[in-house]
Amino acid sequence: IQLTQSPSLLSASVGDRVTLSCKGSQNINNYLAWYQQKLGEAPKLLIYNTNSLQTGIPSRFSGSGSGTDYTLTISSLQPEDVATYFCYQYNNGWTFGGGTKLELK
Amino acid sequence: QVTLKESGPGILQPSQTLSLTCSFSGFSLSTYGMCVGWIRQSSGKGLEWLANIWWNDDKYYNPSLKNRLTISKDTSNNQAFLKITNMDTADTATYYCARRWYFDYWGQGVMVTVSS
Repeated sequence: IQLTQSPSLLSASVGDRVTLSCKGSQNINNYLAWYQQKLGEAPKLLIYNTNSLQTGIPSRFSGSGSGTDYTLTISSLQPEDVATYFCYQYNNGWTFGGGTKLELK
Repeated sequence: QVTLKESGPGILQPSQTLSLTCSFSGFSLSTYGMCVGWIRQSSGKGLEWLANIWWNDDKYYNPSLKNRLTISKDTSNNQAFLKITNMDTADTATYYCARRWYFDYWGQGVMVTVSS
């Protein structure tokens, strides 16, 4: 399964509601996770199984979707959210999306 | 507390075999349903899943690299291993190990450079 993330680069302001998209080439059956990777760090799990928030992750992060289309939403962007975000499917094999780089406007 | 840490040679020459070790604590690979995976990331690029090994010794490999990869584990010493044969400059990357099939905990990564 191929994963396509959009946009590849997103500029937003503090306090904005931000939506990142991940589209699969086939049905992912909700076996989708989202990671945040800051510069020089390992990826950090934010969301698994489409909408389950990993322990310790702020509630401003949420996930949704079904079938082939999935979304990560940040309800109110904070400066510390500047990072690259990757989606990842584990329904059929294991593949990562190409990433969305989120920067402050 | 779950921790994972990768170790490897740092630098190797083209055609050599890369041997990586993932040493972990806070969980056991003998626990039903447990899994450790390997992922790599070239500088400034995206993430590439390489292989997973499960508590029952099932192994899964990235089809594009399958012939070059071997994953294994030492349950009693809480370690997982990855070997990649015939290394090339294109394999220069940071290599990570992570827990579970949805990678809830990651190691810090180990940088591997392939250069003659």
